[in-house]
Amino acid sequence: DAGVIQSPRHEVTEMGQEVTLRCKPISGHNSLFWYRQTMMRGLELLIYFNNNVPIDDSGMPEDRFSAKMPNASFSTLKIQPSEPRDSAVYFCASSPGYANEKLFFGSGTQLSVL
Amino acid sequence: AQSVTQLGSHVSVSEGALVLLRCNYSSSVPPYLFWYVQYPNQGLQLLLKYTSAATLVKGINGFEAEFKKSETSFHLTKPSAHMSDAAEYFCAVSKRGTYKYIFGTGTRLKVLA
Repeated sequence: DAGVIQSPRHEVTEMGQEVTLRCKPISGHNSLFWYRQTMMRGLELLIYFNNNVPIDDSGMPEDRFSAKMPNASFSTLKIQPSEPRDSAVYFCASSPGYANEKLFFGSGTQLSVL
Repeated sequence: AQSVTQLGSHVSVSEGALVLLRCNYSSSVPPYLFWYVQYPNQGLQLLLKYTSAATLVKGINGFEAEFKKSETSFHLTKPSAHMSDAAEYFCAVSKRGTYKYIFGTGTRLKVLA
């Protein structure tokens, strides 16, 4: 299995631009998570999908952030418009079940907004 | 509410020495507890998981952790550090039956030759 695949690995953009991060979870996993990692706040859960349905988006910072999961093998996290304070590493993770399962993380997308 | 505290954001040990990374949790109900490791430019990987089956949990790469309810601790240990253990380690707590994980702030382990 290739694991959780994220793209791009690095993204540098200018303030105000739209940014789209992509994630392919492990086949057969029905839970998908988007996390953001910063020095100041550590790992924060942004949104959780179960069976492609958003269950908890309470961690999404504001309306500039949106996430979709159109099918079991693909998810996107979009920031529009982007701001310098959005600079962080964004991780996608998947797990085979709903509760207390091992999380399988992708390698992350390092986002820099100038 | 649940929380996790990792004491020491940076820990240095000599190669071959004991590794001890500290984690204390707060939970009103019996929790699930995890240790994850993050190598540079990679995502987190599970080292071990406590589910109440046994208080001493053995994980990968020679790591183990002991659940101590009286001390609300779940410290991570390894008898002999290797250079390859240099990474950042995260303790996490999860309420039984939920998808939410609370991660600690991480401890960066440095192994000195």
